[in-house]
Amino acid sequence: KNEVEQSPQNLTAQEGEFITINCSYSVGISALHWLQQHPGGGIVSLFMLSSGKKKHGRLIATINIQEKHSSLHITASHPRDSAVYICAVTYSGGGADGLTFGKGTHLIIQP
Amino acid sequence: EAQVTQNPRYLITVTGKKLTVTCSQNMNHEYMSWYRQDPGLGLRQIYYSMNVEVTDKGDVPEGYKVSRKEKRNFPLILESPSPNQTSLYFCASSFSGREGYEQYFGPGTRLTVT
Repeated sequence: KNEVEQSPQNLTAQEGEFITINCSYSVGISALHWLQQHPGGGIVSLFMLSSGKKKHGRLIATINIQEKHSSLHITASHPRDSAVYICAVTYSGGGADGLTFGKGTHLIIQP
Repeated sequence: EAQVTQNPRYLITVTGKKLTVTCSQNMNHEYMSWYRQDPGLGLRQIYYSMNVEVTDKGDVPEGYKVSRKEKRNFPLILESPSPNQTSLYFCASSFSGREGYEQYFGPGTRLTVT
C-alpha cells in the first residue's frame, strides 16, 4: 500500500500558539481522516474530508487534492490539546477496507 | 449512546493460550475492522468485515482469526498467541457517508503475551 507521511513527528508549543500538522499521500484518495489519540486513551475521529476545508471549534482541517496534502490547524492551543494526531486515508476505489494510517504527530502544549 | 465496546481492556496471557477479544457496536454499521498499534509502526489493519459472514484480511492477518456471525459483533481470536502479538488493539466500525466511511473506534485492548 502507498504511504501516508506526517510532519512533524513531534511538536512542543506554548499555550495559545497556532499549531499546524501536515499530511501528504502519494496517490488518489476518496477521503482523508484526522484522528486524535490522548495518552492511554482511545481514538476519536476529528474530521473526514474529501475536499476543501472543515472547522470544528478551534480545529480546522484543509485538503488540497491536486497537491495530495492536508493540514490540521489548532488555533489558541491549550494543554488539553496535547495528544497524538493521526492522518489516515481511504484510497480511491477502496472501501472501509482501504484505510492507511500515518505514524502520527505527538503534540505537547505547555502551559 | 452510540459506541463501540471492547473486552477485555487489559489482558496478560502466556504463549499458546487461546484468547478472544470481543468487539460490539450499537450503531447498525455494516463495516467493522480490527487494528493493532505498535510504537514506530502506527496503526495497521488486521482484518475487516463488510457485512455479516463477509470478512477479509488486512495488512497483518497472520496469527489472527475473526468471525462476523451477527452485525453488531466482530470478535478477534488468537488461537495460539505469541509474544510478537503483544500490542494495543482497536476495533472500529464505520458506515458509508456522503464523503466516505466515517470511523468509530473502540477504547482499545492492551494485550501482553509472555
